[in-house]
Amino acid sequence: ETGVTQSPTHLIKTRGQQVTLRCSSQSGHNTVSWYQQALGQGPQFIFQYYREEENGRGNFPPRFSGLQFPNYSSELNVNALELDDSALYLCASTLAETQYFGPGTRLLVL
Amino acid sequence: KNQVEQSPQSLIILEGKNCTLQCNYTVSPFSNLRWYKQDTGRGPVSLTIMTFSENTKSNGRYTATLDADTKQSSLHITASQLSDSASYICVVRDSGGGADGLTFGKGTHLIIQP
Repeated sequence: ETGVTQSPTHLIKTRGQQVTLRCSSQSGHNTVSWYQQALGQGPQFIFQYYREEENGRGNFPPRFSGLQFPNYSSELNVNALELDDSALYLCASTLAETQYFGPGTRLLVL
Repeated sequence: KNQVEQSPQSLIILEGKNCTLQCNYTVSPFSNLRWYKQDTGRGPVSLTIMTFSENTKSNGRYTATLDADTKQSSLHITASQLSDSASYICVVRDSGGGADGLTFGKGTHLIIQP
């Protein structure tokens, strides 16, 4: 167990809809990163938050946005869903150079 | 462009046998290299992390090696068990100061057969 939880575990949406995925990390882990992992691929970096501020962003469009809250929880929001957004979405909190991944949310866009 | 290449893409071995997974990288400047185990549909779990000066690191039946000169790493699994069936991902961190700084390989999908 990494102490990082994500919800929901699975989600089905249709094209054009919006989705919010949630992550709760351990107390004291001030950095949280979000990744998209397509089937058979390695995780792709979406963005990172540090103390509630976006600290870096990967090659993802603005319809991918996030929030981090003081209670070490965070959200990933995706607007105008596309079929290619179907993937496993992982959040990871960082402490002392080690990343602790959550179990992921499997999103299917129909 | 930073890249991490893993081989083989997939591997099937019998329970109790040993195996070695490979990772080649072109990440600069290098900071550290990690191996993760990812069960299907789950998040990756860290197995080892090695810095430039470390050649070998073990975690139970898992032994990782690093050759920083040739930019190669391997993960050796001894006396495999059914629970070792998973994807193994090699991740290299650069020290360039970027927010993430991680380059992920696509993973080796390992299946242990009874």
